[in-house]
Amino acid sequence: KQEVTQIPAALSVPEGENLVLNCSFTDSAIYNLQWFRQDPGKGLTSLLLIQSSQREQTSGRLNASLDKSSGRSTLYIAASQPGDSATYLCAATGTASKLTFGTGTRLQVTL
Amino acid sequence: DTAVSQTPKYLVTQMGNDKSIKCEQNLGHDTMYWYKQDSKKFLKIMFSYNNKELIINETVPNRFSPKSPDKAHLNLHINSLELGDSAVYFCASSQGRGVNYGYTFGSGTRLTVV
Repeated sequence: KQEVTQIPAALSVPEGENLVLNCSFTDSAIYNLQWFRQDPGKGLTSLLLIQSSQREQTSGRLNASLDKSSGRSTLYIAASQPGDSATYLCAATGTASKLTFGTGTRLQVTL
Repeated sequence: DTAVSQTPKYLVTQMGNDKSIKCEQNLGHDTMYWYKQDSKKFLKIMFSYNNKELIINETVPNRFSPKSPDKAHLNLHINSLELGDSAVYFCASSQGRGVNYGYTFGSGTRLTVV
């Protein structure tokens, strides 16, 4: 059974800092790993999708890496802004198209 | 707009009632899902349909019954609502098993059972 864990659970950084969010998964038999953003009371917005054959994906200030063999993914956010404040979720797509979510990292970027 | 849309956005109801949540996607995807986000914000899959066929049915009470009239719609009907059913329910869709393009989520339905 796939288990996905995210560290840290919460993070507060001043504006402008670079930061890394961590995601680990127990079953390396995944099709892909997806990072989402969830704002309070809102739905999920897809940020980046990394296929199992890929090592990383980039979109603007975001960079996500994937190391299947060690069961880890990281989301790097460069030059953080207050608008980046949200909960970040990673999720692994496994067999039967089941998406297993991590526990989330709540990010607060302060002025 | 191309999207996954859910209705209603908020639902407050009494224990014992029966209610439905509707979901529609206009992305042309062939797989749809229902996820439940509990009070601790943990998201867990409930059901998945591919071309109107049930492919995932997690350990969910049989008071919950999904219905897929066509591949663009996946509704969730809940009988005899209980306090513990209070949560945010998210609908999602993907093309195939979400391998190539991932998932698209709706904005959620916040269900409160009183």
